[in-house]
Amino acid sequence: EAGVAQSPRYKIIEKRQSVAFWCNPISGHATLYWYQQILGQGPKLLIQFQNNGVVDDSQLPKDRFSAERLKGVDSTLKIQPAKLEDSAVYLCASSLDRTGFGYTFGSGTRLTVV
Amino acid sequence: GDSVTQMEGPVTLSEEAFLTINCTYTATGYPSLFWYVQYPGEGLQLLLKATKADDKGSNKGFEATYRKETTSFHLEKGSVQVSDSAVYFCALLIFYNQGGKLIFGQGTELSVKP
Repeated sequence: EAGVAQSPRYKIIEKRQSVAFWCNPISGHATLYWYQQILGQGPKLLIQFQNNGVVDDSQLPKDRFSAERLKGVDSTLKIQPAKLEDSAVYLCASSLDRTGFGYTFGSGTRLTVV
Repeated sequence: GDSVTQMEGPVTLSEEAFLTINCTYTATGYPSLFWYVQYPGEGLQLLLKATKADDKGSNKGFEATYRKETTSFHLEKGSVQVSDSAVYFCALLIFYNQGGKLIFGQGTELSVKP
């Protein structure tokens, strides 16, 4: 079974620029999650989708972050404009259903904002 | 609120030493508990889990027992190997109206020397 695919693996941008990350979940997984992992900390949930609808985005800084999941499959996470404190690894995960079991994580995108 | 606290790292051990990484949690309701491992440059991998009190999760020589009375889920291994060097995350899965959400501790880095 193919895993959760993310791209790019690494991205370096200047502050105030915009950036987008892409995630392709495991086939058939209805629930998709984006996490932010700052160096030295555990992952923090940013947004959770059930199919193509948002279930929880309470921790998403909506003034600069946005995410969408078109057709309930792939998802993109965008930051515009980026700040220095956005430097982190952005992890995508998917699970079979909204109960959360079977979480599978992608390898992440490491963002450095300079 | 719901949270997970892990012992601070880094933890440095010699090969074949006994490992304990402490994890305690605060949660309303009855969460499931997990240990995830993150090897350098890789994504999060599920190491083991326990879904109810007194359950013991085990995998690859690692064990953890869900202790409701002490709200703990300590990770143990009798004899560590150099290949166990990684960052270990304790997490709880709590259910909200929106579905299941994983909440992580800050991670504990383990370094095993030959």
